[in-house]
Amino acid sequence: GQQLNQSPQSMFIQEGEDVSMNCTSSSIFNTWLWYKQDPGEGPVLLIALYKAGELTSNGRLTAQFGITRKDSFLNISASIPSDVGIYFCAGQWFDEKLTFGTGTRLTIIP
Amino acid sequence: NAGVTQTPKFRILKIGQSMTLQCTQDMNHNYMYWYRQDPGMGLKLIYYSVGAGITDKGEVPNGYNVSRSTTEDFPLRLELAAPSQTSVYFCASRRQGFNQPQHFGDGTRLSIL
Repeated sequence: GQQLNQSPQSMFIQEGEDVSMNCTSSSIFNTWLWYKQDPGEGPVLLIALYKAGELTSNGRLTAQFGITRKDSFLNISASIPSDVGIYFCAGQWFDEKLTFGTGTRLTIIP
Repeated sequence: NAGVTQTPKFRILKIGQSMTLQCTQDMNHNYMYWYRQDPGMGLKLIYYSVGAGITDKGEVPNGYNVSRSTTEDFPLRLELAAPSQTSVYFCASRRQGFNQPQHFGDGTRLSIL
């Protein structure tokens, strides 16, 4: 089955730094979603994107729907300890099933 | 508002045993999904349902069965547990239609020894 290529696989940053991660696909989607998963919990939706070129913010998080419809980006500004976790992208074509990325694990170094 | 509720949270099974993972949602969502997440990996779809009485296979259905007799409940059954089924299982639901994201439960961690 298809999975999206998500990079980087892991990040080690210091508190206060900005974070960037991206997701690429060989096929196009018309919906891109970004989820965060904390240890022992299910993924929680952060941002949903529904239009190519769309740039959407949720607090310190900003995500973009790539113009080609084959990629998406997530940025986190001024990271804080509660940002630690695994971030997943997911793509969807209309009402079909979600395809998930392999995740980016974010660790904040004290 | 409970959202998506999964039980149990943890379970250890012996090889060959059977069990049912429960999932219920109180949001009146038509669509429900079962995923498994192996260590360091993303989520893989096992089965899904677009409404009561309708189920379809996902990417990795072998070794599992589902039923959807009501809108609220979508149980996942393992008939003959195998070590390869050790994983974390997530249930999700969403409303029908474009622009409707999936909402996840907190997962069931299953170990088969």
